[in-house]
Amino acid sequence: DAGITQSPRHKVTETGTPVTLRCHQTENHRYMYWYRQDPGHGLRLIHYSYGVKDTDKGEVSDGYSVSRSKTEDFLLTLESATSSQTSVYFCAIRKDRGLMDEQYFGPGTRLTVT
Amino acid sequence: SQKIEQNSEALNIQEGKTATLTCNYTNYSPAYLQWYRQDPGRGPVFLLLIRENEKEKRKERLKVTFDTTLKQSLFHITASQPADSATYLCAPEGGNYNTDKLIFGTGTRLQVFP
Repeated sequence: DAGITQSPRHKVTETGTPVTLRCHQTENHRYMYWYRQDPGHGLRLIHYSYGVKDTDKGEVSDGYSVSRSKTEDFLLTLESATSSQTSVYFCAIRKDRGLMDEQYFGPGTRLTVT
Repeated sequence: SQKIEQNSEALNIQEGKTATLTCNYTNYSPAYLQWYRQDPGRGPVFLLLIRENEKEKRKERLKVTFDTTLKQSLFHITASQPADSATYLCAPEGGNYNTDKLIFGTGTRLQVFP
């Protein structure tokens, strides 16, 4: 499982509150990703990181920010949660063996915004 | 923009038969394409990667083809088993020479009956 953990695994929060999800890896891989998965939309990339303090946007980045101050941790923040951000969030890493490496996913965080 | 299409209808087949899943992409030419398996409540798991210059790739009972003319990849599971029941995701690389990212299809659910 490439040593990926996500916390919390489940969270219910109210509209307008800030939420931070954490992804932690134990193998020091450079690339880390945050996705959300919704019925009918599949997995969509929110943000990704290619090193400490190096991040870039994905296709659904509005309303989300990320930070990576250490190799092992990639944080996803919803500054002011909305009901449309109710989803399952997956973190992934890419093993650094070349340009076409596979991704390994964490167990997911189920977030409900009421 | 790039578009990935997988059959949203579930594929139901009998144990022992060959399952064939389709992935079509439009508006770009990915340099490689990956296939993942996802079980309910879990993150996707990498299965196979095929490059644009490879017509076919095999791994045990799995076979993937990549037709760059048709802009299509086929994923085959031979001698299917009930344990193969899952959702299978197609993921070409992100395009525009950006191999940092994958674009995931919505997945096809496979159900293998004894």
